[in-house]
Amino acid sequence: QKEVEQNSGPLSVPEGAIASLNCTYSDRGSQSFFWYRQYSGKSPELIMFIYSNGDKEDGRFTAQLNKASQYVSLLIRDSQPSDSATYLCAVLAGTASKLTFGTGTRLQVTL
Amino acid sequence: DAMVIQNPRYQVTQFGKPVTLSCSQTLNHNVMYWYQQKSSQAPKLLFHYYDKDFNNEADTPDNFQSRRPNTSFCFLDIRSPGLGDAAMYLCATSRDQVGSPSPFTSAAGANVLTFGAGSRLTVL
Repeated sequence: QKEVEQNSGPLSVPEGAIASLNCTYSDRGSQSFFWYRQYSGKSPELIMFIYSNGDKEDGRFTAQLNKASQYVSLLIRDSQPSDSATYLCAVLAGTASKLTFGTGTRLQVTL
Repeated sequence: DAMVIQNPRYQVTQFGKPVTLSCSQTLNHNVMYWYQQKSSQAPKLLFHYYDKDFNNEADTPDNFQSRRPNTSFCFLDIRSPGLGDAAMYLCATSRDQVGSPSPFTSAAGANVLTFGAGSRLTVL
């Protein structure tokens, strides 16, 4: 089992819709969870991070964390074509001192 | 603006010819990381420096070396590049070491990674 798993996609949503991106992790002791956006050929850029169970909202983005079920999700409201990118989930495991990244989900927002 | 700068952005080398990639930061962050990312794959940590302390990942090949002569600069040396080393190399920084004892320090973004633009290596 991979430490951090994401559906590679592509996930296709129409403009204005809600995009839902999911990530599961294997280490139950994981502490911190990060979502990065990566445009093709570019480096990852942080969207948001979450540490506590529940929801965290930042503009059109909402991160949801459920530690009991070991998943974290990212919701993008009012999706725009400029949101088309690969979204990387990164997890700080409880016993490690490094972030482990998933392979990312490619999001396509269609007009 | 404070940032992480990588040079060169694109590097073409021949099989076996040494390459050095550089990273500089104006964020005054304590920690600098080197990641390797191949197409459609997750970034893979090669090593990181916490201040002057070097931390090598167990599965990082000996072909990869790093130097951090001062707080601002970090170098990735690939001694004998092979075709399998073609990838995007990402430098990142964070204020504190990922995994700092208190997760609540992270609430201030202490262990959030800031990435440079990357250096894409092609091996012929």
